[in-house]
Amino acid sequence: EIVLTQSPGTLSLSPGERATLSCRASQSVSSSYLAWYQQKPGQAPRLLIFGASSRATGIPDRFSGSGSGTDFTLTISRLEPEDFAVYYCQRYGSSPSFGQGTKLQIK
Amino acid sequence: EVQLVESGGGLVQPGGSLRLSCAASGFTFSSYWMHWIRQVPGKGLVWVSRLNMDGSITTYADSVKGRFTISRDNAKNTLYLQMNSLRVEDTAVYYCARAGLPYSTSHWFDPWGQGTLVTVSS
Repeated sequence: EIVLTQSPGTLSLSPGERATLSCRASQSVSSSYLAWYQQKPGQAPRLLIFGASSRATGIPDRFSGSGSGTDFTLTISRLEPEDFAVYYCQRYGSSPSFGQGTKLQIK
Repeated sequence: EVQLVESGGGLVQPGGSLRLSCAASGFTFSSYWMHWIRQVPGKGLVWVSRLNMDGSITTYADSVKGRFTISRDNAKNTLYLQMNSLRVEDTAVYYCARAGLPYSTSHWFDPWGQGTLVTVSS
């Protein structure tokens, strides 16, 4: 079973700053089968990125994904107030799995 | 508008049963794999089960195998999760979610329903 480990657990930044979130897999993730989600309190998760680097429909271009193999990154270029939330990476394949999440909070 | 709406959650005693429903609208339901994912309040996301377009292929997480059954009624555009032999550790918000592409095993999830809370407690 491939385990996804996200870091940091909590990230404290200010609006306008750049956020870099990491997702590391215990084994190589084939064909970049990696997605990122944003979840705000009391809401369902929302798809941000699929295929490691493709933005979902309606997602602002300040969100970008990169990486391959075992190391993946979600970057938010300039934080807006509405970006403070919990972010999850997900491996998709025969048995989908999620990372434990990174909480992005206002500094 | 593509929409998923779950229902059927509630309070149930350990060992009891519950059936969740997920009503889909705004897309061709019969063209997509569908999934259930759960989340203990305040904790992370855990994939539970998936079902292919015609209901002939199912997969379950080990933690629910043999106790939960996923099914669908394409005529009613509805996904189900029958949960039997419920345990305290099954307490969670249960989300249904659609696969990212039609006729595809590319299992990213988009969109998600709003979730329904299942509480297993005596």
